[in-house]
Amino acid sequence: RKEVEQDPGPFNVPEGATVAFNCTYSNSASQSFFWYRQDCRKEPKLLMSVYSSGNEDGRFTAQLNRASQYISLLIRDSKLSDSATYLCVVNKRTDSGGYQKVTFGIGTKLQVIP
Amino acid sequence: NAGVTQTPKFRILKIGQSMTLQCTQDMNHNYMYWYRQDPGMGLKLIYYSVGAGITDKGEVPNGYNVSRSTTEDFPLRLELAAPSQTSVYFCASSAPDRRYNSPLHFGNGTRLTVT
Repeated sequence: RKEVEQDPGPFNVPEGATVAFNCTYSNSASQSFFWYRQDCRKEPKLLMSVYSSGNEDGRFTAQLNRASQYISLLIRDSKLSDSATYLCVVNKRTDSGGYQKVTFGIGTKLQVIP
Repeated sequence: NAGVTQTPKFRILKIGQSMTLQCTQDMNHNYMYWYRQDPGMGLKLIYYSVGAGITDKGEVPNGYNVSRSTTEDFPLRLELAAPSQTSVYFCASSAPDRRYNSPLHFGNGTRLTVT
């Protein structure tokens, strides 16, 4: 089983739609969680951190469910400019305590259609 | 702040040639990383460093070497380039806090073709 799993999509949604992505992680010791956005042939950029209580940033809402080991990203009122690949990222401290292990999911591709 | 700067942006190598991909960051981050991303695929960790003088292998280190003589710089060396090393290479840095809740900051990437 992969450490971080995402549905690669693509998700094709009309403008104005609400779309949700899920990501599951296998290591219960994982400590911090992020969503990144990656545009075609560009570097990944941090979209938002994911907190245990859930957090919102404008049209974007992130949720964490530690019991079920998944995180989610909800995008409301989709815009054409939201078209990108969304990467789920999980951090954990290594057993030795000296390294922050960062694991990326393969990403979910979103295409917002006019 | 420039953040994470990678050079060159593009490079074409012939099989068997060598080159160094440069990466520098001005955020005083301890942790630095090299990833490669093949078309339509996810990021794969090549090497990482938790501080000056300390480096370690990631999941795909074969064919690469790194050094970390300063906090700012983390060059990636390709020896004897092979077509399988055609990819986009991203350098990243982070400054983990005590709770390891620190995102990565990426450079713009280097697009390498080996023919």
